[in-house]
Amino acid sequence: RKEVEQDPGPFNVPEGATVAFNCTYSNSASQSFFWYRQDCRKEPKLLMSVYSSGNEDGRFTAQLNRASQYISLLIRDSKLSDSATYLCVGRSGGSYIPTFGRGTSLIVHP
Amino acid sequence: EPEVTQTPSHQVTQMGQEVILRCVPISNHLYFYWYRQILGQKVEFLVSFYNNEISEKSEIFDDQFSVERPDGSNFTLKIRSTKLEDSAMYFCASSDINYGYTFGSGTRLTVV
Repeated sequence: RKEVEQDPGPFNVPEGATVAFNCTYSNSASQSFFWYRQDCRKEPKLLMSVYSSGNEDGRFTAQLNRASQYISLLIRDSKLSDSATYLCVGRSGGSYIPTFGRGTSLIVHP
Repeated sequence: EPEVTQTPSHQVTQMGQEVILRCVPISNHLYFYWYRQILGQKVEFLVSFYNNEISEKSEIFDDQFSVERPDGSNFTLKIRSTKLEDSAMYFCASSDINYGYTFGSGTRLTVV
């Protein structure tokens, strides 16, 4: 199965900081990407889809760089409630099966 | 907001016993999945189900596992003869073609 790689962290940042996560994928045929958020012992929840043109949702910005085969997530003005594990998910065009990265842990402290 | 519902939330079973994990996917979704997550590890794909049959499965999904959609709404994962290493969170998910996946809150399976 195609691999999706993430830096596991943890990223430990103060409230209000800007933090960025990258995720690399090994299958150039991967077509769809998502960022999920997972709180401890909870299910993954869709944070945002990632489009080729980049997309923004409030404090969150996702970008896709197909040439370098990576996806990024930028979180501005971090809140304590942003503390979670952020999962990068890729899906290739011929399959509806998403492949999960191991996740990047974010800890936002006061 | 539509939800994927899983029951039970926690199941404790003795090694060698059979367990059935239940899921009610979102009603207008066509694709259904089971994933598992061993504590501290990544989310791992087990099986996908479409049009009343398995469409893809991973190496983890061996003869010990089976899935069914018995009545058009429930989607079940059966694990025969459970092993200690089957202890994990099991997540059900559903999707339509174009959007992301919605996960249930999971069943924590503990094999003792």
